Amino acid sequence: GAVVSQHPSRVICKSGTSVKIECRSLDFQATTMFWYRQFPKKSLMLMATSNEGSKATYEQGVEKDKFLINHASLTLSTLTVTSAHPEDSSFYICSAEPTTKSYGYTFGSGTRLTVV
Amino acid sequence: RKEVEQDPGPFNVPEGATVAFNCTYSNSASQSFFWYRQDCRKEPKLLMSVYSSGNEDGRFTAQLNRASQYISLLIRDSKLSDSATYLCVVNPVGNTDKLIFGTGTRLQVFP
Repeated sequence: GAVVSQHPSRVICKSGTSVKIECRSLDFQATTMFWYRQFPKKSLMLMATSNEGSKATYEQGVEKDKFLINHASLTLSTLTVTSAHPEDSSFYICSAEPTTKSYGYTFGSGTRLTVV
Repeated sequence: RKEVEQDPGPFNVPEGATVAFNCTYSNSASQSFFWYRQDCRKEPKLLMSVYSSGNEDGRFTAQLNRASQYISLLIRDSKLSDSATYLCVVNPVGNTDKLIFGTGTRLQVFP
């Protein structure tokens, strides 16, 4: 149980375009999902907390207008990287925790974004 | 000071060896602690939670020292498949859902 599906796994886009990443909880409901970013050989850094039915909470230094988060249902959160630039190239990972809290935090398989 | 600090390694050990990783955290009021494993270019996966009394899961033993604010992970009888990056993760007090990750310790087990 507690499977999180993230799509796409890999995307290459041109500078200036926007990219949407989806994170779905497949067999549980998640009122809260989390978006992380990981640079090569670096730790995961929390970008924002996605709350179903309300605005996301962004960590300090993360531009909310650049990284748009929508959590419209209990099983889906999306992260849109707007007007992408090469420095946005990174590994983006979402996670969610079942309300039963018996599986720990489950992560999606990640999205490797390359902006050219 | 970083919230969670780990020795990045790499730790290169032969099969069958015992290896230990340490991690320190800065927030003395932190409540929950975990070890995650991350394979190259993959997502982290929960290895084990860390309890105050220490806990064991097969070849893996986790311990918590609140007084010194460090967490350890011991791997006995290392296997080639144990090669990965091990992430120390802390759940700060006051926010039950937020995780703070260490940079990870790279382990390479060789034949």
